[in-house]
Amino acid sequence: DTAVSQTPKYLVTQMGNDKSIKCEQNLGHDTMYWYKQDSKKFLKIMFSYNNKELIINETVPNRFSPKSPDKAHLNLHINSLELGDSAVYFCASSSSLTQYNEQFFGPGTRLTVL
Amino acid sequence: AQTVTQSQPEMSVQEAETVTLSCTYDTSESDYYLFWYKQPPSRQMILVIRQEAYKQQNATENRFSVNFQKAAKSFSLKISDSQLGDAAMYFCAYSGAQGAQKLVFGQGTRLTINP
Repeated sequence: DTAVSQTPKYLVTQMGNDKSIKCEQNLGHDTMYWYKQDSKKFLKIMFSYNNKELIINETVPNRFSPKSPDKAHLNLHINSLELGDSAVYFCASSSSLTQYNEQFFGPGTRLTVL
Repeated sequence: AQTVTQSQPEMSVQEAETVTLSCTYDTSESDYYLFWYKQPPSRQMILVIRQEAYKQQNATENRFSVNFQKAAKSFSLKISDSQLGDAAMYFCAYSGAQGAQKLVFGQGTRLTINP
């Protein structure tokens, strides 16, 4: 069984388009995250939701809008895509009730903006 | 703000030998967690090992162990009996200890295993 899944795994699109990435977890976790991994492999938090409430919102352009319809889903919508948005986007989840804040990652979505 | 630094962009080791990856961090918190994640070419992020800051004993998971020096803010990963499957990017990460917290990652170390 897949614990954290993301769709699509690859996304190629033109500059200026709008696209969405979906994430689902079946671990019963109450917290979900979006991380961005740039071309130099650096990973940085973008957003985090706890029980559908936004709790972390790093300095991210407002073209990026996360949405959490329920605790098991966290989607990322990106408007007016730019070349610099090309990256791998990882979804992750964790439980705020466990001791370690261990985060489980999805397989990543490689976004290429042409 | 917390920061994590991995000063070795690349490391290589002979198969079956031992290698140590370095990580230092900066924080003003007294309680936190530290992690090592592995990212093979498949790009899946895999948790290798974790350490709670309040525990003095170093964590160990099979061939993987850490050297946690809290005063020095150092958290190195030792891989014993290196195997070809250990080849990957390794990321050191920091997390606060209160509830759900973001992970702050280091820059990563690319590990190559020479047969």
